[in-house]
Amino acid sequence: KAGVTQTPRYLIKTRGQQVTLSCSPISGHRSVSWYQQTPGQGLQFLFEYFSETQRNKGNFPGRFSGRQFSNSRSEMNVSTLELGDSALYLCASSLGGGSENIQYFGAGTRLSVL
Amino acid sequence: QKEVEQDPGPLSVPEGAIVSLNCTYSNSAFQYFMWYRQYSRKGPELLMYTYSSGNKEDGRFTAQVDKSSKYISLFIRDSQPSDSATYLCAMKPGGYNKLIFGAGTRLAVHP
Repeated sequence: KAGVTQTPRYLIKTRGQQVTLSCSPISGHRSVSWYQQTPGQGLQFLFEYFSETQRNKGNFPGRFSGRQFSNSRSEMNVSTLELGDSALYLCASSLGGGSENIQYFGAGTRLSVL
Repeated sequence: QKEVEQDPGPLSVPEGAIVSLNCTYSNSAFQYFMWYRQYSRKGPELLMYTYSSGNKEDGRFTAQVDKSSKYISLFIRDSQPSDSATYLCAMKPGGYNKLIFGAGTRLAVHP
């Protein structure tokens, strides 16, 4: 079974631009969560989508948004990029139904903002 | 104060040593506890998963959860150079999919 796939793997953008990252979950998984990883703050939860609805949200500004499609694939968008948005963005998928919900991570998209 | 505290290391041990990695937490609502391993430039890989208190063993890895002390541990027996990575503890309450991570401990196992 294929794992979580994130594209692209690397991105370079300049301040003020916007960016869209993509995540394809493991087949059969309906929940997709997004995390930001930086050396200073570690791994921080951005938001979770389940059945095309945002179910949980972390403490990030409104410039960070996401969506989920009917096939469970998800996209994350960051508008008006800032230097501090440079990070590894990780997507995790899980079955999504119950409390257990083991999350499996993709390899991430490394975003550099210049 | 962070909800989950983890010593970032680095921790350097000789091959064959027993490694002990630990996290403490403050939120008594956490019920699910995980250990992930992350190699450089890769995503986190799930190693161990425990619900509530107790021990769980999988090969060379043993996870322990002590909810009364709000303390979790990961033991690696017969450590190998291939175990060199960053180990992240993560936890969450029941009913939510928001994982709270520790800072990660960087481990180096030298031959």
